[in-house]
Amino acid sequence: DIQMTQSPSAMSASVGDRVTITCRASQGISTFLAWFQQKPGKVPKRLIYDASSLQSGVPSRFSGSGSGTEFTLTISSLQPEDFATYYCLQHNTYPGTFGQGTKVEIK
Amino acid sequence: QLVESGGGLIQPGGSLRLSCAASGFRVSGISMSWVRQAPGKGLEWVSIIYTGGYTYYADSVMGRFAISRDESKDMLYLQMNSLRVEDTAIYYCARASALDTWGQGTVVTVSS
Repeated sequence: DIQMTQSPSAMSASVGDRVTITCRASQGISTFLAWFQQKPGKVPKRLIYDASSLQSGVPSRFSGSGSGTEFTLTISSLQPEDFATYYCLQHNTYPGTFGQGTKVEIK
Repeated sequence: QLVESGGGLIQPGGSLRLSCAASGFRVSGISMSWVRQAPGKGLEWVSIIYTGGYTYYADSVMGRFAISRDESKDMLYLQMNSLRVEDTAIYYCARASALDTWGQGTVVTVSS
């Protein structure tokens, strides 16, 4: 199975900060990567698909990049509603695998 | 929209069948998945069924769980047998291989 290593596992940031989260795949997955946001007690919400395509309705401060084995999710200016846990997902081969998650907390 | 049902409290070794009702699209026309989240833990992809009927499972559930669908009713199912304490989780159904739409989840608790 493909392993997804997500970093950092947690971080503290302030409103307005630029935040970058990284996912590394144990083997190449082309651009079969998505990013999800999950708030406590809520259903995960897809933010990015195909590594860099913004889901409809998601604010443009979210962006994704990468291909092959290295991917990033960037939040250009962190907003109060962005404090959540973020997960990457590879769906190049099955079963699909998620990263361990990155919890973004308020500094 | 996706709506799951069928969760509950079950003893170890027992069986449970989860259901997911789809609306607004046909389950026959797109792959469908089950994803779970244990209490306080991350997300785990459990199983997927493709449009051609091919199915895949996580190693943790292989041989115990079975995914299926009823195209006439636009329903997705997850038959869970030989349940273990570690299967305790919220189970979500989700659409497509890139999980673009999720249900609200159904809670499965395996405990004696």
